[in-house]
Amino acid sequence: DAGITQSPRHKVTETGTPVTLRCHQTENHRYMYWYRQDPGHGLRLIHYSYGVKDTDKGEVSDGYSVSRSKTEDFLLTLESATSSQTSVYFCAISENSGRAGDTQYFGPGTRLTVL
Amino acid sequence: KQEVTQIPAALSVPEGENLVLNCSFTDSAIYNLQWFRQDPGKGLTSLLLIQSSQREQTSGRLNASLDKSSGRSTLYIAASQPGDSATYLCASTGANNLFFGTGTRLTVIP
Repeated sequence: DAGITQSPRHKVTETGTPVTLRCHQTENHRYMYWYRQDPGHGLRLIHYSYGVKDTDKGEVSDGYSVSRSKTEDFLLTLESATSSQTSVYFCAISENSGRAGDTQYFGPGTRLTVL
Repeated sequence: KQEVTQIPAALSVPEGENLVLNCSFTDSAIYNLQWFRQDPGKGLTSLLLIQSSQREQTSGRLNASLDKSSGRSTLYIAASQPGDSATYLCASTGANNLFFGTGTRLTVIP
């Protein structure tokens, strides 16, 4: 299994509070991704990173920001959480981009509930 | 925007049966097509990746095919086992993104 951990694994918070989720990898892969999984929608890309300090938006980036100050860590921040951000969040990594045909490896997920 | 559809949403089969899961996508300009397995409350495990220039990939009892021109992929599972029970997701690969279907939940009945 790829060395990917996510923390916390479960979190309950209140509307309007800031939340930061952490993804940590031990594979030294260049690409890191944040997805959310919701019933009826499948997984959707929030943001991704293609190197330290290099990030870009995905399909559902509104309300989220990311940072990557080290190769191994990719942080997802909800500046002011809303109930619509209740979801399961997955981090993924890949050595190269999709163009290169590399598979993505997924972390165990973080279940976030916003009350 | 790429749309990925998986039919059926759920499938129950008796142990030992061969089965096919279907995946269709709207944009044929993909880099590759991947199949994942997801167990309840868990992350995704990559099963097979088919490059856009390939027609199929095999791993053990699993065989995945890709027909870009028709926008279809299938996952064939031979001699199904109760341990195969899980949700199976297909995803088409863009430059820096995966576009996922909503999955097929498979139950293999002993």
